[in-house]
Amino acid sequence: DAGVIQSPRHEVTEMGQEVTLRCKPISGHNSLFWYRQTMMRGLELLIYFNNNVPIDDSGMPEDRFSAKMPNASFSTLKIQPSEPRDSAVYFCASSFEWSAQYFGPGTRLTVL
Amino acid sequence: GENVEQHPSTLSVQEGDSAVIKCTYSDSASNYFPWYKQELGKGPQLIIDIRSNVGEKKDQRIAVTLNKTAKHFSLHITETQPEDSAVYFCAASIATGNTPLVFGKGTRLSVIA
Repeated sequence: DAGVIQSPRHEVTEMGQEVTLRCKPISGHNSLFWYRQTMMRGLELLIYFNNNVPIDDSGMPEDRFSAKMPNASFSTLKIQPSEPRDSAVYFCASSFEWSAQYFGPGTRLTVL
Repeated sequence: GENVEQHPSTLSVQEGDSAVIKCTYSDSASNYFPWYKQELGKGPQLIIDIRSNVGEKKDQRIAVTLNKTAKHFSLHITETQPEDSAVYFCAASIATGNTPLVFGKGTRLSVIA
């Protein structure tokens, strides 16, 4: 049974470039969460969706960040333009309703 | 909103000893409390969870206890092994509400062989 799938696993880009992170939630799950993890700030919730609808994006740090969920099996987190301080590990997680969340393996983003 | 405090931030134990990690929460309406283990280079993995209608739950060497009156819950790992070394996160939420999990800051557990 496939878990949450994220791509790419690693991304290295230059400042100013657009970055798109992708997530496929577990089939049947209807809630999806995007997190950012850094040593300094720990695990931060950026945005979450329920039934493909964004519920709360108050954790998105700046307007440079945007997220979409066009259907129940796919979501993207986009950073445009990227900056060095965006370097972090980005996790996607999914759940059925609001109980146990299952995390993907993460995307390690490095912005030079 | 909910606030979850986790202690200690780091914990070192000898192999075979027990480890205990404690969390407190602020919202008395919270009723779902999962624990996650994060190994280096991986995403957090759910290891055990408890709902507010029970006071304790066990799964082999790990157990979680919940005290609703005091609003705290704990993770107990017995007979620790080197592979238990990881960062552990507690979390809390209202499982039937329109709110996500609120995570503690994490505890880095080191099991010394």
